[in-house]
Amino acid sequence: KQEVTQIPAALSVPEGENLVLNCSFTDSAIYNLQWFRQDPGKGLTSLLLIQSSQREQTSGRLNASLDKSSGRSTLYIAASQPGDSATYLCAVRQGTNAGKSTFGDGTTLTVKP
Amino acid sequence: GAGVSQSPSNKVTEKGKDVELRCDPISGHTALYWYRQSLGQGLEFLIYFQGNSAPDKSGLPSDRFSAERTGGSVSTLTIQRTQQEDSAVYLCASSPIPGSHTDTQYFGPGTRLTVL
Repeated sequence: KQEVTQIPAALSVPEGENLVLNCSFTDSAIYNLQWFRQDPGKGLTSLLLIQSSQREQTSGRLNASLDKSSGRSTLYIAASQPGDSATYLCAVRQGTNAGKSTFGDGTTLTVKP
Repeated sequence: GAGVSQSPSNKVTEKGKDVELRCDPISGHTALYWYRQSLGQGLEFLIYFQGNSAPDKSGLPSDRFSAERTGGSVSTLTIQRTQQEDSAVYLCASSPIPGSHTDTQYFGPGTRLTVL
């Protein structure tokens, strides 16, 4: 059974700082990995999707990496802003079941002005 | 439509009553997923549809939970004889053709269910 862990559970940084969020998974036979953002009381917004054959994806100030062999992904946020404050979730989809995703519990990020 | 929509946005019901939650996926998306998020918990997978069929129902917590999808579009999640532990936010997501390199899940805003 796939298990997804995100560390740290919460993170508080001053504006402008670069930061890294971590996601680890126990079963490396994944189909893809997706990073989401969730604002309080809202649904999830997709940030980046990394296919199992890829090593990283970039979008603006965000960069996500994937190391399947070690069961790890990182989300790098450059020059953080108060608007980046949210909960960040990673979700792993298994290689044998294109439907189901297993989510981590998330990292709640606070960027202080 | 512009995105995944869900209704109602909030539902308060009494223990023992049945409830229906609706999801309208993005037009043309063949896959549809239901998840739930309990207070302080992560997202828990419930069921996955490909077209109108459900190849994976493994996340449905009990036989009080059922879901259907018609016309390859709208889906309804039904909870019978609701219990207080069913209180959660129920999230629906859709994605284009599974197996494509753009197979991103797009989420709706969720339905917040409160069972008194």
